[in-house]
Amino acid sequence: AQSVTQLGSHVSVSEGALVLLRCNYSSSVPPYLFWYVQYPNQGLQLLLKYTSAATLVKGINGFEAEFKKSETSFHLTKPSAHMSDAAEYFCAVNRDDKIIFGKGTRLHILP
Amino acid sequence: KAGVTQTPRYLIKTRGQQVTLSCSPISGHRSVSWYQQTPGQGLQFLFEYFSETQRNKGNFPGRFSGRQFSNSRSEMNVSTLELGDSALYLCASSPDRGDQPQHFGDGTRLSIL
Repeated sequence: AQSVTQLGSHVSVSEGALVLLRCNYSSSVPPYLFWYVQYPNQGLQLLLKYTSAATLVKGINGFEAEFKKSETSFHLTKPSAHMSDAAEYFCAVNRDDKIIFGKGTRLHILP
Repeated sequence: KAGVTQTPRYLIKTRGQQVTLSCSPISGHRSVSWYQQTPGQGLQFLFEYFSETQRNKGNFPGRFSGRQFSNSRSEMNVSTLELGDSALYLCASSPDRGDQPQHFGDGTRLSIL
């Protein structure tokens, strides 16, 4: 069964520093993968999605993710963190016609 | 284009009561999924409806039920509320498949006293 594992429930980075949020998936075939962001008191917003067209996927707000089959990873990155990036981020995979979410990583931005 | 609308935003109930939450999907979207979000369990899939039929179901007890109307609007009902049902309930819609990128509403925060 497909699932996703997010390493680190909390990640802190300084403003202007690189953001790296880790996600590994378990699947025998390349799945559809997604990253979502959730701001306080709001629902989830799609950041980007991988659908096998390209291994490097660019999303909104300067985020991107690289699909690495050899590492079964789909890590989310952003070159320079901004205070407004403080939120919770979810990696997700499609499975059995539904989307399964990871436990989430809360990103803290230090001034 | 209006987004996914969930009502009410906040709800307070007591144990043993029942509650109905409403979700209006994006116009043209026919798939509606419901999720429960809690600090301990994270985001858990409840069920998905498509064309008024439940197409997919998560591992929740029968106290949790839902339905979808012909205009794609959906409701979920929880009967005999328990303290553990306190959560943020999120609704999401997509054009036709539950495994496509979904558009989420802002959720209904349910608190059980």
